[in-house]
Amino acid sequence: DVKVTQSSRYLVKRTGEKVFLECVQDMDHENMFWYRQDPGLGLRLIYFSYDVKMKEKGDIPEGYSVSREKKERFSLILESASTNQTSMYLCASSSPEGDTQYFGPGTRLTVL
Amino acid sequence: EDQVTQSPEALRLQEGESSSLNCSYTVSGLRGLFWYRQDPGKGPEFLFTLYSAGEEKEKERLKATLTKKESFLHITAPKPEDSATYLCAVQRSYNTDKLIFGTGTRLQVFP
Repeated sequence: DVKVTQSSRYLVKRTGEKVFLECVQDMDHENMFWYRQDPGLGLRLIYFSYDVKMKEKGDIPEGYSVSREKKERFSLILESASTNQTSMYLCASSSPEGDTQYFGPGTRLTVL
Repeated sequence: EDQVTQSPEALRLQEGESSSLNCSYTVSGLRGLFWYRQDPGKGPEFLFTLYSAGEEKEKERLKATLTKKESFLHITAPKPEDSATYLCAVQRSYNTDKLIFGTGTRLQVFP
């Protein structure tokens, strides 16, 4: 079975803090994704990566950055957290054929 | 503009009461349509992929179908454990890395 894990299920941070969200997949997938999910807005793509050290902006990259130093690990960074970044963050991975994306359990981030 | 719309937003069913969820889409070229199930506070769980009009996939009480403009997720004789949010997403024939998600249908099945 595909396994995507995320470093924290719940996280509470203060405004202005730097926040790291980690995602690890064990299926040797090239593609990895970061989404945020908000009520009424669905899943929105923040960034994705199709290879180590490669990244592409998604639909809402402002206020975020990413890092992919190893194939299995994709990190999302909030340089200076703000209250409007309170959300559910979901990581996913897929094979190069680009079909099914498999999701992690999510991180519920609250910024106070 | 490429778009995915799911209806209804919420659906309450009695146990055993069959129904259908709708996912309508407008994309310039469809490569695949995906259905996911999401339980509260968890990540989406993959259910089905459909690639061409007329295709059908089944899993237990769920059956997904696809036409050129929409997909249906039919739930036959649902049980309370089928309660979840069901998400639909489309993959375009170009830019295949990205999925466009609908906002989901929240299903509640009561005993």
